[in-house]
Amino acid sequence: EVQLVESGGGLVKPGGSLRLSCAASGFIFSTYTMNWVRQVPGKGLEWVASISPSSTHIFYTDSVKGRFTISRDNAKNSLSLQMNSLTSQDTAVYHCVREEDLWGQGILVTVSS
Amino acid sequence: EIVLTQSPDTLSLSPGERATLSCRASQTINNFLAWYQHKPGQPPRLLIYDGSDRATGVPARFSGSGSGTDFTLTISSLEPEDFAVYYCQQRDNWPWTFGQGTRVGIK
Repeated sequence: EVQLVESGGGLVKPGGSLRLSCAASGFIFSTYTMNWVRQVPGKGLEWVASISPSSTHIFYTDSVKGRFTISRDNAKNSLSLQMNSLTSQDTAVYHCVREEDLWGQGILVTVSS
Repeated sequence: EIVLTQSPDTLSLSPGERATLSCRASQTINNFLAWYQHKPGQPPRLLIYDGSDRATGVPARFSGSGSGTDFTLTISSLEPEDFAVYYCQQRDNWPWTFGQGTRVGIK
């Protein structure tokens, strides 16, 4: 089955860190650009980070630059997002996204004291 | 950053009616525009990519059009399952950005 499954979310204190993972299956992971997109509950969608198939090109939205790191392991069909110096503004559901067409169910990250 | 502005914010229509959703970009984009349908508790579903190409499995009642800065999603005849929030998104320039969404509700 073609799918993306996120893990690693949860409750973290402001200033803390969290690492999200995304397990891909059912397609040739190494040939696709992968992305993280987030949605604050009740709000719109925000593209967070993107990584090309061979990790050559990496992009971040301004609000996470210097704090978040996207990475991938093509041998393990996995995508990661290391999130440091978290603030309440980072509270959201985070989706792993293949190109534009395949989305994971999403995982909630809550930053609160 | 390219800003996408969707209109209207809310559309109240009845099943069977035609829905026309607009997305305007703050600068010209090279048709790298997508439309998504989003329902509560589900991830967004890609409907249209590259301005007018329907994604796999998307019914023919959904169509995308436009160029430059102005794009349109048309639902020719609303089905009950089409009532949802719709987002446009551009991938012409990083950071990729979304519009604020249009809610299509039942009248």
